[in-house]
Amino acid sequence: DGGITQSPKYLFRKEGQNVTLSCEQNLNHDAMYWYRQDPGQGLRLIYYSQIVNDFQKGDIAEGYSVSREKKESFPLTVTSAQKNPTAFYLCASSMAPGQGTDTQYFGPGTRLTVL
Amino acid sequence: GQNIDQPTEMTATEGAIVQINCTYQTSGFNGLFWYQQHAGEAPTFLSYNVLDGLEEKGRFSSFLSRSKGYSYLLLKELQMKDSASYLCAVMDSNYQLIWGAGTKLIIKP
Repeated sequence: DGGITQSPKYLFRKEGQNVTLSCEQNLNHDAMYWYRQDPGQGLRLIYYSQIVNDFQKGDIAEGYSVSREKKESFPLTVTSAQKNPTAFYLCASSMAPGQGTDTQYFGPGTRLTVL
Repeated sequence: GQNIDQPTEMTATEGAIVQINCTYQTSGFNGLFWYQQHAGEAPTFLSYNVLDGLEEKGRFSSFLSRSKGYSYLLLKELQMKDSASYLCAVMDSNYQLIWGAGTKLIIKP
């Protein structure tokens, strides 16, 4: 079955600790994305990558870091510099970035709570 | 700035029809997407419109007017499982998705 996996579904961390959220896809998609979802707000783009070993900052990249060493994997690290990290984090992938018909497909999400 | 507006919450009755509106102001336009998101779950793709008019897909239809910066999602024969949030997103001139805050749809028996 092709799809996008994120783990874990729930994550708890103490303030000041870095934490890494995993995202894996076996759809052979070129592009991958990380979004943050907060109540009452639209999805906000953190980082995206259109090709291996390359990634771009989104609208709210401060306090986050990513890597794209393999096509299938796009992990997100939430650093201690992120002022308000508690949120629902969604990873997505798409086949053809830069085209209007490019549809993004989402993983199940990770709910991060920083205590 | 770029902006997507949707109603925050709507209520409808099982078996009825509901229309969820979305208006947008973006830097360029390369298509409009509708997604469904059940609470605590991932958004799932429903529809894509890039030309004016109505696209029908089973019980769901989506309409676009580019000149008015307006779209709606029409859900017919509502079922309890349609209770979810519906997200409108526009692809701008840089092929980035700009997201609305979503409309929470509550279905009552």
